Amino acid sequence: AQSVSQHNHHVILSEAASLELGCNYSYGGTVNLFWYVQYPGQHLQLLLKYFSGDPLVKGIKGFEAEFIKSKFSFNLRKPSVQWSDTAEYFCAVGNTGGFKTIFGAGTRLFVKA
Amino acid sequence: NAGVTQTPKFQVLKTGQSMTLQCAQDMNHNSMYWYRQDPGMGLRLIYYSASEGTTDKGEVPNGYNVSRLNKREFSLRLESAAPSQTSVYFCASSELVRAVSGANVLTFGAGSRLTVL
Repeated sequence: AQSVSQHNHHVILSEAASLELGCNYSYGGTVNLFWYVQYPGQHLQLLLKYFSGDPLVKGIKGFEAEFIKSKFSFNLRKPSVQWSDTAEYFCAVGNTGGFKTIFGAGTRLFVKA
Repeated sequence: NAGVTQTPKFQVLKTGQSMTLQCAQDMNHNSMYWYRQDPGMGLRLIYYSASEGTTDKGEVPNGYNVSRLNKREFSLRLESAAPSQTSVYFCASSELVRAVSGANVLTFGAGSRLTVL
């Protein structure tokens, strides 16, 4: 069965620090990869996605993620975080056919001003 | 453009009571989903409806039923609520953004917080 593992459940950073959130998945076939974000009091929304092609994908608000097929990983990065990046971040994997998107447990990021 | 609308936003039930969570989307999406979110467990798929007239089980379907009333509406019913069903429930709909790999991007509602005593 598919599964998604996020390495950190809670991360605390100061503004301007660099961010990397780890995500590994287990699935043998072709996958579609996503990061979703939930800002305080807001809906879950798509941050970025990877389907194929360039393994380095860019999303909104300066976030990027790198797909490393050999490591089954899709880590999220941002060079310099802001207080407004405080949120919960979810890595998600969709199987080919796409209806069963499986989510990781989430990482709560708190950025200190 | 409301997107995905869920009702109610909050509900408290006693064990054994029943209730229905309602969800409607106005984006003309074919597919709709119900997830539950629990601390430390992320979002888990309860049921989904790939298209109007079809429903399928997700990861945690036990204790729930769904109805895809029409293309816009997808309801989740708890027939006999249990404390283990205390959770935040999210409805989502999706558009197929890449037919080759069947990639669906989800649009979520605001969530419904359910407490079962």
